Amino acid sequence: GAGVSQSPSNKVTEKGKDVELRCDPISGHTALYWYRQSLGQGLEFLIYFQGNSAPDKSGLPSDRFSAERTGGSVSTLTIQRTQQEDSAVYLCATRTTGELFFGEGSRLTVL
Amino acid sequence: AQSVTQLDSHVSVSEGTPVLLRCNYSSSYSPSLFWYVQHPNKGLQLLLKYTSAATLVKGINGFEAEFKKSETSFHLTKPSAHMSDAAEYFCVVSDLRAGNNRKLIWGLGTSLAVNP
Repeated sequence: GAGVSQSPSNKVTEKGKDVELRCDPISGHTALYWYRQSLGQGLEFLIYFQGNSAPDKSGLPSDRFSAERTGGSVSTLTIQRTQQEDSAVYLCATRTTGELFFGEGSRLTVL
Repeated sequence: AQSVTQLDSHVSVSEGTPVLLRCNYSSSYSPSLFWYVQHPNKGLQLLLKYTSAATLVKGINGFEAEFKKSETSFHLTKPSAHMSDAAEYFCVVSDLRAGNNRKLIWGLGTSLAVNP
């Protein structure tokens, strides 16, 4: 597609369940980022993929969070045993050089 | 260390009046600076960016920002607000030397309300 696509757009889950969030990047964009935007907070960096290099996972808040990027394209962010504090909008962004292009985000609500 | 401070969490203006959203940054190196906008239930969109060329940067939707190194500021302005400008605005600083945007530092955002 023409832009970064994220799914689902909204996800409501129960505490303790696992969730998967998907990001389809712009074709050819080698860099992919996951950010988290909590209510009243700025964007929080989670993880960064660049081509075939090992990802930068330094922003992941706990070992319940993981992400993978298959074939340098689609990325999945997985949150295991969700907690209420995981409720946020999860944003995916991709780029070649310079400007980041953001998806519209996946809004996660943990009850 | 880099940091970015958006001086106002909320700004309210009347339609047709000027908009000023303030941003101050701290950077050890020559920074790149960006403003992003996020409309309700929409994704983030780049408004404009400064990357060491002209200090007055023009963006989309009539917005512009001026890089003032002496004041370490990158305030966003628009001469006349429109109702459709109501959104959340984020100021972002990036270290050019980092080269991979991982060092993007985001402000907490300024919510702009436009009153009829």
